[in-house]
Amino acid sequence: EDKVVQSPLSLVVHEGDTVTLNCSYEVTNFRSLLWYKQEKKAPTFLFMLTSSGIEKKSGRLSSILDKKELSSILNITATQTGDSAIYLCAAPLQGAQKLVFGQGTRLTINP
Amino acid sequence: DTAVSQTPKYLVTQMGNDKSIKCEQNLGHDTMYWYKQDSKKFLKIMFSYNNKELIINETVPNRFSPKSPDKAHLNLHINSLELGDSAVYFCASSQGSPPSLHFGNGTRLTVT
Repeated sequence: EDKVVQSPLSLVVHEGDTVTLNCSYEVTNFRSLLWYKQEKKAPTFLFMLTSSGIEKKSGRLSSILDKKELSSILNITATQTGDSAIYLCAAPLQGAQKLVFGQGTRLTINP
Repeated sequence: DTAVSQTPKYLVTQMGNDKSIKCEQNLGHDTMYWYKQDSKKFLKIMFSYNNKELIINETVPNRFSPKSPDKAHLNLHINSLELGDSAVYFCASSQGSPPSLHFGNGTRLTVT
């Protein structure tokens, strides 16, 4: 069965710390992996990764895919309280217009 | 000028009632979805429509019936509501493959 698993499920750090969130996948004919950030309401798109080893970056956030390890990490440097959210990773299933999501990592940044 | 909008934002109702949630997108996307997010924040697809045609129907009780009158609208009707239906229901749209979803703000359904 295709699945996406995230770890840790919950993480509490202090402002200024650097965090690494993990996502592993078992998806038939894997093509890409997506990261989303969910604050109070709708998940919003962060990154789509299709190639192994190529880092995508947006400000203090970066992400990389490792197809050998069937995993991806999302890094956030110099965290701020506004980074507190649930971070979701997802993979599209082959031949289907649907994403299967991981359970999410709830990240809390304390001042 | 919200991209994906759904109504209502909150829905509180009693067991056994029937309710509907409406969704509209102005992005010109061909594909629309309903996702359910449970209390543990796990997002699971329920249905997907492409140009008004049902393309994904996950293992969802047949009390849930989606309807897409046109490609910009996707509604969800739920009959005989049960306590376990309490969740946040997200509408989303996408264009192309792989799908990069644009979500609405969700409808929090509470069944008492």
